[in-house]
Amino acid sequence: DGGITQSPKYLFRKEGQNVTLSCEQNLNHDAMYWYRQDPGQGLRLIYYSQIVNDFQKGDIAEGYSVSREKKESFPLTVTSAQKNPTAFYLCASSLPNNYEQYFGPGTRLTVT
Amino acid sequence: DAKTTQPPSMDCAEGRAANLPCNHSTISGNEYVYWYRQIHSQGPQYIIHGLKNNETNEMASLIITEDRKSSTLILPHATLRDTAVYYCIVRAVHYGGSQGNLIFGKGTKLSVKP
Repeated sequence: DGGITQSPKYLFRKEGQNVTLSCEQNLNHDAMYWYRQDPGQGLRLIYYSQIVNDFQKGDIAEGYSVSREKKESFPLTVTSAQKNPTAFYLCASSLPNNYEQYFGPGTRLTVT
Repeated sequence: DAKTTQPPSMDCAEGRAANLPCNHSTISGNEYVYWYRQIHSQGPQYIIHGLKNNETNEMASLIITEDRKSSTLILPHATLRDTAVYYCIVRAVHYGGSQGNLIFGKGTKLSVKP
């Protein structure tokens, strides 16, 4: 089955630690995205990548970093510089210039 | 990009049609209307999109007014599994070098009741 996987589903970290969230897709999509969702809120774009080895900052990139070394993978690192890292993180992918995005199941990160 | 306005919540009886409105009065000619939904604690799911003609697929119908300033998503026979937050998004398609990102607001929380 084609789709997007995110792991783990729940993640707990201590404040001051960096943490990397995994996102893998086998849809052969060129474009991939990371969003953050806080309780009762819509989604906000963190980073996106239209092609391998290239990525752009979204609306709330501060405190986050990404890499896109392979077409199927777009990991997100939440660094200790992110002031409020506790949130629900969603990864998505799409064909280029296509707004029909396919989302993964999300990772719920809790930092204490 | 045009902004959208949706009611924060709606109820619908199971088996009845759910009609979810969206206002996008500042929409411009090259902007599409997209609908997504998000079931609790899951990733959003694409439903349908349209430019100016009405559209229908296996999930829903999208009715866009002639002046394109508003649209309605119709779930013809709502089930309990349709309980979710529904997002109306307006976005132009840029050819070449598009950012490709969608702007999700707070959406409409649809509760389907037995």
